Parts: sequence; C-alpha cells; structure tokens
Amino acid sequence: QQQVKQSPQSLIVQKGGISIINCAYENTAFDYFPWYQQFPGKGPALLIAIRPDVSEKKEGRFTISFNKSAKQFSLHIMDSQPGDSATYFCAAGQGGSEKLVFGKGTKLTVNP
Amino acid sequence: DGGITQSPKYLFRKEGQNVTLSCEQNLNHDAMYWYRQDPGQGLRLIYYSQIVNDFQKGDIAEGYSVSREKKESFPLTVTSAQKNPTAFYLCASSIWREVGQPQHFGDGTRLSIL
Repeated sequence: QQQVKQSPQSLIVQKGGISIINCAYENTAFDYFPWYQQFPGKGPALLIAIRPDVSEKKEGRFTISFNKSAKQFSLHIMDSQPGDSATYFCAAGQGGSEKLVFGKGTKLTVNP
Repeated sequence: DGGITQSPKYLFRKEGQNVTLSCEQNLNHDAMYWYRQDPGQGLRLIYYSQIVNDFQKGDIAEGYSVSREKKESFPLTVTSAQKNPTAFYLCASSIWREVGQPQHFGDGTRLSIL
C-alpha cells in the first residue's frame, strides 16, 4: 500500500532525445508527488513536483504527467543533455512532505 | 547560504563500535529526517522528528538511535546492534505539515566497516 514502483531501473538516451521515467502508487491518500535528481556523492535535490489537482506540470525541459485514475505519474526530460546524467527518484507523500515514500531510482545516462 | 551540513563525509566503524553522524540545518525547518541509501534500494526512512525533543521511528529504525535537543541538530547514532551498517546516510529537513513543501537534503555520510 505504501510502495512507489519506479521503472526502468536504468535508461540510456542519446543527446537530444526524450527520457521517460514512470512511477506507480497504490495509496490514494497520497497528494504530493516530487521528483528528485541525485548526482554521485551528493544528496538528492528537488527537480519538480506536482499535486493531484493538475494533470501536467512543466518546468523548462522537465515535465511531470499525472494520471490520477491509473495512479501513475511520469517524468519526461526533453532534449536530454549529458549533464542530465544522474539518478532520478520519484516519491509520494501525504499531507505535505512528511514521510515521503521513494521509488528505487532510475539511473539515466545521456550519451553525447 | 542556508542548507544542511552533514559530517563527516566518510566514516569507518570497527566491530562493536557505536558511531554518530552529524546533521545540522540553518533553514529554520521544524522537521528533520534520516534516510539510508543502498544501491538499487532507493531511500529508506530511519527516523524523523517533527519538533524538538520528539522523534518517530521510520521503516528501518532497528540498530539506530537519534536525539533532537536543538531545532538545528538531529544526530544519528549507528549502534553495534546494526549488523549491516555499510551505506550512504542522508539527512533532510522540511517545513512540517505544509502541503507542497519539499525535503531538502544534505550531501550525505558514507559509512563503511573496517
């Protein structure tokens, strides 16, 4: 009930391509869905987040798509760049950011 | 600059030894968290604290202890009861119970067994 399932585990994309990472959840009480980006040896940093009252949120090259009925949300990275190579985590929370439940992460490699 | 400082960056533990990881924040956040990160496992919550002198167990609290004597500080002790302590430990903080407020992370402490 509390799990967030993230796929794929790893992803290789060519420079300029679109990277897509998917997450699914079970707990319908979740109302906050952030994505974090983590570089090796560093802590995760918030990339973009969405609430369930909207179906899409875009910030620059990063877009979250949210499907409430399917209990799924995804991160799209347009025009992927080598600097985007990192591990991405989706998460879900309830009533704010307390006790976020994290997916297991996706290692993205963008080849030049 | 506001942020979260974790120290040390690398830590080695001997058999039977307790070690303490430091986490300090100057963001004036009420809530603080400790996570453990293992390869391919994502982030798992160890302990969290909503307010000074109060803290709650997370999903994997066994073998760990915490204290919250000051708003700015939330140290984590890895005790000798934790049989598999090798991991990357992350501290985070956030505004408590305000929807849409993110957790801010430090840059972690990597703990290894000697």
